[in-house]
Amino acid sequence: QKEVEQNSGPLSVPEGAIASLNCTYSDRGSQSFFWYRQYSGKSPELIMSIYSNGDKEDGRFTAQLNKASQYVSLLIRDSQPSDSATYLCAVRIGSARQLTFGSGTQLTVLP
Amino acid sequence: GAVVSQHPSWVICKSGTSVKIECRSLDFQATTMFWYRQFPKQSLMLMATSNEGSKATYEQGVEKDKFLINHASLTLSTLTVTSAHPEDSSFYICSVSSGNQPQHFGDGTRLSIL
Repeated sequence: QKEVEQNSGPLSVPEGAIASLNCTYSDRGSQSFFWYRQYSGKSPELIMSIYSNGDKEDGRFTAQLNKASQYVSLLIRDSQPSDSATYLCAVRIGSARQLTFGSGTQLTVLP
Repeated sequence: GAVVSQHPSWVICKSGTSVKIECRSLDFQATTMFWYRQFPKQSLMLMATSNEGSKATYEQGVEKDKFLINHASLTLSTLTVTSAHPEDSSFYICSVSSGNQPQHFGDGTRLSIL
């Protein structure tokens, strides 16, 4: 079992819809959770971080964390074609310095 | 503004050449920097963790004599791909972090070996 799992997609949603991206992790010692967006040919950029159970909202983005069920999700409201990218889920396990990344979910927002 | 500066952004060179990539932390002193490699349509692969003032920690399967890492100061780490060959062509990305904070990535270096 991979430490961080994401559905590779591709996930397609129409413009204006809500895109829902999911991530599960295996290590209950995981403490910090991050979502990165990576456009084709570019490096990842941080869009959300979440550390405690519940929801965290930032503009059109909402991160949801459920440590009991070991999943973290990202909701993108009012999806735009410019949101089309690969979204990477990353987890810091315990006191590790490095992050463990999922393989990413490719999102396409159709105009 | 940018947290990490990485350059060059693009390198094309002949097989057998050694290529040096620089990664600078702009906003804070980074005792730890990370080097990743990403092949087309594949996920990020951690190559090594660069530690200031000590030897880098390499991931399994990454040749330390092939990929030389130097982290001589708190703001600069370099990755040298020695005697590069076409199979080393890839997208190399560095990142920095401090404490429990997320990693911030450089813009990456696209390496093409002819």
